Amino acid sequence: NAGVTQTPKFQVLKTGQSMTLQCAQDMNHNSMYWYRQDPGMGLRLIYYSASEGTTDKGEVPNGYNVSRLNKREFSLRLESAAPSQTSVYFCASSESVGGVSTDTQYFGPGTRLTVL
Amino acid sequence: AQSVTQPDIHITVSEGASLELRCNYSYGATPYLFWYVQSPGQGLQLLLKYFSGDTLVQGIKGFEAEFKRSQSSFNLRKPSVHWSDAAEYFCAVGGRNDMRFGAGTRLTVKP
Repeated sequence: NAGVTQTPKFQVLKTGQSMTLQCAQDMNHNSMYWYRQDPGMGLRLIYYSASEGTTDKGEVPNGYNVSRLNKREFSLRLESAAPSQTSVYFCASSESVGGVSTDTQYFGPGTRLTVL
Repeated sequence: AQSVTQPDIHITVSEGASLELRCNYSYGATPYLFWYVQSPGQGLQLLLKYFSGDTLVQGIKGFEAEFKRSQSSFNLRKPSVHWSDAAEYFCAVGGRNDMRFGAGTRLTVKP
């Protein structure tokens, strides 16, 4: 099992460009998450999908959109990138349906994004 | 909303010494508490978690944590640190629709 995979690993964008970060998990998990990690701030939840077909905002959703394409895949889109979105982005998944609170989350290796 | 404070940004310990990483949380109800570890360039890996029951929780790699409701704390401990424990450690608290992480504590292990 590959666990949680993310593509790309690195990306450099210019301000105003768009891009989609891809995430897939092969553990048959129901819930999936997108976080951003910034120095001195830990991880902050952007969006999550508590089950296939549903998505909800987390702590910092502005400037992002998500799609839960199927049970395996959860993508994060930046429509018009800004320098403030320079960060490391992590995707995670967990077994339970319904939310972020109780289950172990399994993390991907991250995507390092720089917006110039 | 819940929040997590990790007071120590960086800790250095000698190999073989004991370790305690501090975590304080704020949450109105019974918290779900986690400790994760992140090695350089990697994602996070769960060390241990607390939902209810015994307040001393055992995790992987010889780590344990103790939940103290009266102090709103969930400190991580290890009796003897190994060089491979050098990493960043995150405490997190889970609520109904959110998960909040602390800012992390970076652990350096001296030979």
